[in-house]
Amino acid sequence: GAGVSQSPSNKVTEKGKDVELRCDPISGHTALYWYRQSLGQGLEFLIYFQGNSAPDKSGLPSDRFSAERTGGSVSTLTIQRTQQEDSAVYLCASSLGDKSRGYTFGSGTRLTVV
Amino acid sequence: SQQGEEDPQALSIQEGENATMNCSYKTSINNLQWYRQNSGRGLVHLILIRSNEREKHSGRLRVTLDTSKKSSSLLITASRAADTASYFCATDETSGSRLTFGEGTQLTVNP
Repeated sequence: GAGVSQSPSNKVTEKGKDVELRCDPISGHTALYWYRQSLGQGLEFLIYFQGNSAPDKSGLPSDRFSAERTGGSVSTLTIQRTQQEDSAVYLCASSLGDKSRGYTFGSGTRLTVV
Repeated sequence: SQQGEEDPQALSIQEGENATMNCSYKTSINNLQWYRQNSGRGLVHLILIRSNEREKHSGRLRVTLDTSKKSSSLLITASRAADTASYFCATDETSGSRLTFGEGTQLTVNP
C-alpha cells in the first residue's frame, strides 16, 4: 500500500480482556517496528522484525505482550489480560530494512483500558 | 535514560519567528533524524543528518550536528501556525537495531 496502515484506530477495552492490534507495512519494507507512546511522552520501543531473522523482543514490557509477523508482511501485537497502564497509542513503523533511511509510521492505535 | 533528549520541552512563538529545538544524546551514532508528530498520532520523517555531516538544509528546516558535543539542533525559519506539532529527534546508534527517540519538544506557533 501507499503507507503503513494500522487498525483499529481506536480501541476501548475492559481491564483483563485481550486485544489485538494490526499493522500493514509498506509493501517491500522488510523491517517493522512497534513502539508505544503514553500521553505526552516519547516513544518506547517494543519489538522489531527484520526479514526472516528472529525478532528483537527486548522492549516488550511483560510476558502479556507478544507480536508476530506473518509472511514477512502483516504484524499483530497482542496484549493479554490488559491493565490500565497499557493505555497508550501503539505505533507501527516500517522501513526498507536499513534504519538509516528513516521510518514510515502508521497513524497508530489509541488503546484505552477501562 | 533516553538516548535523545530534547530541549526545551515546550516552545511557544509567534508566526514568522524562528524556532530552535535541541537534542542531546549519549552514544556513538550513524545518523540522527528529526520527526514531526501532529495530534499524538503517527510521526513524519523530516530530515536525516549523517555523523560525518555538520549541517543540512531542507526547505525552511536547518539541522546541525556536533558529534563532539553529542548534540543536534533543528531550526525552523519563518514559522507558520501549521508548524504547530511535537518534534522528536531519533538516534541511529552504531550498536543497535532500531532508532531511539527522545521525549520531544512541543512547538506552538501563534497566528
